[in-house]
Amino acid sequence: AQSVTQLDSHVSVSEGTPVLLRCNYSSSYSPSLFWYVQHPNKGLQLLLKYTSAATLVKGINGFEAEFKKSETSFHLTKPSAHMSDAAEYFCVVSDDNFNKFYFGSGTKLNVKP
Amino acid sequence: ETGVTQSPTHLIKTRGQQVTLRCSSQSGHNTVSWYQQALGQGPQFIFQYYREEENGRGNFPPRFSGLQFPNYSSELNVNALELDDSALYLCASSSRDTTYEQYFGPGTRLTVT
Repeated sequence: AQSVTQLDSHVSVSEGTPVLLRCNYSSSYSPSLFWYVQHPNKGLQLLLKYTSAATLVKGINGFEAEFKKSETSFHLTKPSAHMSDAAEYFCVVSDDNFNKFYFGSGTKLNVKP
Repeated sequence: ETGVTQSPTHLIKTRGQQVTLRCSSQSGHNTVSWYQQALGQGPQFIFQYYREEENGRGNFPPRFSGLQFPNYSSELNVNALELDDSALYLCASSSRDTTYEQYFGPGTRLTVT
């Protein structure tokens, strides 16, 4: 069975400082992993995806994530936070046919001026 | 290009009633997935439809059922509504070639009283 655990329900950073949102996964086979972002009153948007290619994945808006099999982690990072990054972020794992998707409980990112 | 649309936006039903939610896929997409997002939680995968057949299912009882039509639009039906069914219901469409890249609609907010 597949699942993801987002280790922080809330993260607060100052504008211009690095962002780290943590995600650990559990999967019985080589997983496909995703990060989605949900801005208030907007639909979920795909940030980036890992599908067994390069372990360092670059996404939109300067975000990237690194797949670490030994640590079963897929943490999301950004070198410098912007006010517009304030949103809720979800880590997602899918089965190998992309027929089922499992979302984490989400991390709310607050960016302080 | 038209995005994913859902109707209605909001709905109030009474316990025991039945409800039908509708979703129009993004142009060119032939796969539809439905999710339930309770307040303060991540989306939970209900099921996925491809070529008018259920293609994958999450841990939801049979009173949650769906349909996909030849034009790839979709319905989610919930029978015998319970109070815990109150949630935001999200529809996501994707193409078969890139099923992992889901495009989400704005959701239908269902309240069961």
